[in-house]
Amino acid sequence: QKEVEQDPGPLSVPEGAIVSLNCTYSNSAFQYFMWYRQYSRKGPELLMYTYSSGNKEDGRFTAQVDKSSKYISLFIRDSQPSDSATYLCAMISNFGNEKLTFGTGTRLTIIP
Amino acid sequence: ETGVTQSPTHLIKTRGQQVTLRCSSQSGHNTVSWYQQALGQGPQFIFQYYREEENGRGNFPPRFSGLQFPNYSSELNVNALELDDSALYLCASSLATSSYGYTFGSGTRLTVV
Repeated sequence: QKEVEQDPGPLSVPEGAIVSLNCTYSNSAFQYFMWYRQYSRKGPELLMYTYSSGNKEDGRFTAQVDKSSKYISLFIRDSQPSDSATYLCAMISNFGNEKLTFGTGTRLTIIP
Repeated sequence: ETGVTQSPTHLIKTRGQQVTLRCSSQSGHNTVSWYQQALGQGPQFIFQYYREEENGRGNFPPRFSGLQFPNYSSELNVNALELDDSALYLCASSLATSSYGYTFGSGTRLTVV
């Protein structure tokens, strides 16, 4: 079993819809949770960063972490065609462990 | 402020050959990490360098090696290439050994034939 599970999709939604992306994980030591966006032929770009459980909002993006369920989510409101990309969840344990553990990524397409 | 730059962007090698990939870290960053991203997969941690020393290694064989130079740029060397080494190789830099501050380059696409 992988440490981080993520539905690879692909996921296609109409422009303006709310998108929900999710990851589950098995390592209870993970404390820091990130979402990266990766456009085709580009490296990952940090989108959201959350420490421990809770919600964090940044514009149209909201990240949620539920450590009791080992479940994290990214919501995109008012989705735009420019949001079409692969979304990767990533996580690390406490300071001292510098390895990012990624999910497989979800390929998202926003249909105009 | 420049970001992370990697070279070359693409290359094709034959099985058994050796390859060197290069990375220039973002200005002010002193830590470099390398990741391998196979098609349709998330990046997998290869190793990290901090102040020219290896500072953590993932589950990759010794034929994957690296260097970090005094200007914090880095190289990834892979010997005895195998077909399964075909992937996007990503370099990421950060200011300290804290992962959430990583800036990724656009990667080098390696194809082994």
